Amino acid sequence: GEDVEQSLFLSVREGDSSVINCTYTDSSSTYLYWYKQEPGAGLQLLTYIFSNMDMKQDQRLTVLLNKKDKHLSLRIADTQTGDSAIYFCAAYGSGNTGKLIFGQGTTLQVKP
Amino acid sequence: EPEVTQTPSHQVTQMGQEVILRCVPISNHLYFYWYRQILGQKVEFLVSFYNNEISEKSEIFDDQFSVERPDGSNFTLKIRSTKLEDSAMYFCASSPLRANVLTFGAGSRLTVL
Repeated sequence: GEDVEQSLFLSVREGDSSVINCTYTDSSSTYLYWYKQEPGAGLQLLTYIFSNMDMKQDQRLTVLLNKKDKHLSLRIADTQTGDSAIYFCAAYGSGNTGKLIFGQGTTLQVKP
Repeated sequence: EPEVTQTPSHQVTQMGQEVILRCVPISNHLYFYWYRQILGQKVEFLVSFYNNEISEKSEIFDDQFSVERPDGSNFTLKIRSTKLEDSAMYFCASSPLRANVLTFGAGSRLTVL
């Protein structure tokens, strides 16, 4: 069935790069997303990548998409304490109906 | 920047009571969604809505749930008779096109006692 998987926890030191990984099962998703959730807050769209792209860079964020392996990653350069949050990967389910399938979220802990 | 607005931010209710969660999607968006997140679990799709009707719903979205767009701006989720397991954060989202970028609201936290 449709599924999106992420590792649960990542700890880095301030100033280091963070890489959060995600795998998905449905290859038909037109877009793949990264959302950020701070404690008690909603889902903030961080970035997304169109399925015909391999890479997208947006300031400190780099998204890499490997369609063959159905693997998506988010790299945060120069990670700051304000980046501490839960990061969700999401892809559309089969048929691209608009139904997003979310991963379980990766908690990023940034140590000073 | 346009945003999706949800009210209330937090609602506490007794089991068996009806609850209505409200959302104001982005004004030129055509597709509307409800998702929920039980504490510590994944964000789950509930329902999508387009052209005044449900276009897709999940197994979670049973007869206790309903959605409505009562006027040109609001989009509501009604839970007829709440259960303890309905306690969750409920997120509304909207998008301009199908399978396009979804913008989420800040969520409504529902606590059922």
